[in-house]
Amino acid sequence: DVKVTQSSRYLVKRTGEKVFLECVQDMDHENMFWYRQDPGLGLRLIYFSYDVKMKEKGDIPEGYSVSREKKERFSLILESASTNQTSMYLCASSLPRVGAGAFFGQGTRLTVV
Amino acid sequence: DAKTTQPPSMDCAEGRAANLPCNHSTISGNEYVYWYRQIHSQGPQYIIHGLKNNETNEMASLIITEDRKSSTLILPHATLRDTAVYYCIVRVENDMRFGAGTRLTVKP
Repeated sequence: DVKVTQSSRYLVKRTGEKVFLECVQDMDHENMFWYRQDPGLGLRLIYFSYDVKMKEKGDIPEGYSVSREKKERFSLILESASTNQTSMYLCASSLPRVGAGAFFGQGTRLTVV
Repeated sequence: DAKTTQPPSMDCAEGRAANLPCNHSTISGNEYVYWYRQIHSQGPQYIIHGLKNNETNEMASLIITEDRKSSTLILPHATLRDTAVYYCIVRVENDMRFGAGTRLTVKP
């Protein structure tokens, strides 16, 4: 089975801290995605990557950056965490071809205090 | 912006068919329609996808209108475990954006 693993299920950080959320997939997928999910807003795309060292902005990239140094790992970075970044963060991966379904991790619930 | 419109919520009786609509009037010729669902506290799960033709798998059926401007996901015999938020998205290769989805509640 495809596995997408996010490093933490729950995380509490202080305002102003630099936060790293890690995502690892084991199926050699080219595409990886980071979303945040807030009540009533659904899943909103932050960044995605279609290859190592490649990244594209999604709908809400402000306040975030990403890193993809290896194919299996996609990191989301909050440069200076703020309380409005308290959210559920979801990582996904997929093959690049159309017709390929995406696989999601279980999510990281981040609280910034 | 998401390219799809779905009703915010629907109810369905257990054992009956659940028909979830999705409008995607601006879909382009090479975009596929995908459906995912998210059960509370879990990551979204892929259900089915299609381009033009109707599709069926072990989880659901997907009916796409001839003009491709709308589609319907059908769960033929809904169970309580099908209670979830269902997302319809249109996608070409790398990009994958979700809307707010439909919260389906299956009632006994």
